[in-house]
Amino acid sequence: EDKVVQSPLSLVVHEGDTVTLNCSYEVTNFRSLLWYKQEKKAPTFLFMLTSSGIEKKSGRLSSILDKKELSSILNITATQTGDSAIYLCAVEFDQAGTALIFGKGTTLSVSS
Amino acid sequence: DSGVTQTPKHLITATGQRVTLRCSPRSGDLSVYWYQQSLDQGLQFLIQYYNGEERAKGNILERFSAQQFPDLHSELNLSSLELGDSALYFCASSFRDSPYNEQFFGPGTRLTVL
Repeated sequence: EDKVVQSPLSLVVHEGDTVTLNCSYEVTNFRSLLWYKQEKKAPTFLFMLTSSGIEKKSGRLSSILDKKELSSILNITATQTGDSAIYLCAVEFDQAGTALIFGKGTTLSVSS
Repeated sequence: DSGVTQTPKHLITATGQRVTLRCSPRSGDLSVYWYQQSLDQGLQFLIQYYNGEERAKGNILERFSAQQFPDLHSELNLSSLELGDSALYFCASSFRDSPYNEQFFGPGTRLTVL
């Protein structure tokens, strides 16, 4: 069964801490892995990682794809209260057309 | 504001009923995706349309159907509603037919089935 598992389910840190969120997957015909941030409303896109682009960075956020270990991490350095959100990992794979499967998310709470 | 619009924002209905959710993609986007988000299941991909044609199917029930019209807006029809269908339904759009590029999510429609 194709699946995406995120850990931890939730995390509480202090402002300024560095956090690492994990995503592992088991799918056939992997195409890409995507990270989204969801605050109170709709998910917003953070990164997309493919075989040809296994590391991405944007400001304090960075992500790495490990195709051998079938996993990815999302790092957030110098966390701020505005980073509090649910972080979703999704994997795109071929299934008679493309399909997308999401993990259940990691809820990050950053306290001041 | 992502540029994706969804109507209505909230919908309350009874079991056994049928509802239609509407989505207008960002200007220029050809691909529309539908997702269901519930507390216990998380975000589930339902179906994707590209330029009017069905492109991919996820965990969409047979009671649910969707279509994309020539003007590229899309509708998700949910019938014979059950309590378990209560969820937040998101629509997302992208230019191409693959999430190889960024998907923009609409604000969602919250469906409550009583």
